[in-house]
Amino acid sequence: AQTVTQSQPEMSVQEAETVTLSCTYDTSESDYYLFWYKQPPSRQMILVIRQEAYKQQNATENRFSVNFQKAAKSFSLKISDSQLGDAAMYFCAYSYTGANSKLTFGKGITLSVRP
Amino acid sequence: DTGVSQNPRHKITKRGQNVTFRCDPISEHNRLYWYRQTLGQGPEFLTYFQNEAQLEKSRLLSDRFSAERPKGSFSTLEIQRTEQGDSAMYLCASRSSGTGETQYFGPGTRLLVL
Repeated sequence: AQTVTQSQPEMSVQEAETVTLSCTYDTSESDYYLFWYKQPPSRQMILVIRQEAYKQQNATENRFSVNFQKAAKSFSLKISDSQLGDAAMYFCAYSYTGANSKLTFGKGITLSVRP
Repeated sequence: DTGVSQNPRHKITKRGQNVTFRCDPISEHNRLYWYRQTLGQGPEFLTYFQNEAQLEKSRLLSDRFSAERPKGSFSTLEIQRTEQGDSAMYLCASRSSGTGETQYFGPGTRLLVL
């Protein structure tokens, strides 16, 4: 079974600084997808960034980028120029490429941004 | 694109009562998922529909839980004889066909069983 581990329950960053959120996963599949989702307080979950396992190039989306290390099964999220609106719970998630493609989530990390 | 909607947003019920939640996916999405999220945890998969067919159910989905998607559009999740342990956020997500397509989440229904 696939597992996703986020070992840091909380992190804090100064506004305009850079922060990295860690995630490791375990799977026996060779082809899969990895995601970072953001869940602001009392608001719905939205996709931040996604990575296809077959792509060696790390995904980037504006201020968000990932460091995908397939051999190490590591998938960290870097947020540059942190903004107050980045404060939220962040979930790392995995899905394989089968028809179901259900998501397996980590426990999440609460990110606070200090003004 | 109106996004995924869920109703009600909040539900308080007494133990032993039945509750039903509704999810309206993005209109062109043929795949629909239900997840459950307890406080401080990540969502856990409950069940999956492709069009009107329920193709997978988690072992978390006890026989008190039933889900339907009668015409391949909206879906309902019913919990019979609710227990306090059912208190959680119930999330619905949808996506289009194709491998690795992004799942879009609704705002969730927060259930509190007293």
